[in-house]
Amino acid sequence: DAGVIQSPRHEVTEMGQEVTLRCKPISGHNSLFWYRQTMMRGLELLIYFNNNVPIDDSGMPEDRFSAKMPNASFSTLKIQPSEPRDSAVYFCASGLGNQPQHFGDGTRLSIL
Amino acid sequence: GIQVEQSPPDLILQEGANSTLRCNFSDSVNNLQWFHQNPWGQLINLFYIPSGTKQNGRLSATTVATERYSLLYISSSQTTDSGVYFCAATSGTYKYIFGTGTRLKVLA
Repeated sequence: DAGVIQSPRHEVTEMGQEVTLRCKPISGHNSLFWYRQTMMRGLELLIYFNNNVPIDDSGMPEDRFSAKMPNASFSTLKIQPSEPRDSAVYFCASGLGNQPQHFGDGTRLSIL
Repeated sequence: GIQVEQSPPDLILQEGANSTLRCNFSDSVNNLQWFHQNPWGQLINLFYIPSGTKQNGRLSATTVATERYSLLYISSSQTTDSGVYFCAATSGTYKYIFGTGTRLKVLA
């Protein structure tokens, strides 16, 4: 079975540009999570969707960040405008009920 | 909210040695997971273990929920075990709090 698929794997862009990260969860999973990993703050939950509905976005750092889940098989995390401090590894994870979360391979984002 | 602490922060082992990694949490938990982040950055599920003991090959984990800790045992370590081991716990259903990890290096 395919795992969680994220794209792109790496993104390098200049400050001020719009960045869109994509995620395809495992088929049949009803929960989707976006995390950010930095050296300073470790792994942080940004937003949680259940059945395509955003349930908890309290971890989204500011209005420059937005996330959508238009259907059960696709989600995006958008940063507009991007800033150098947004540089991090962004992970998407999916799960089903109380079952363990499964992580994608992450997107390594560098904002110059 | 719940706090998760891991120890030791760093560990260096000779290949073949055994080790125990610890995860303490500040409140009762509903769910707890152990992950391995390999040198390529991938986060791999090891155990989903809110309580009790589980084993998977050379790895095993024990969670004593009443005493608010979990242990990950690695036996006969191999160089491929290198990476960072994270414990993540939630007192609810989905909002996992991750510890700061134990960075393990296994020497050949």
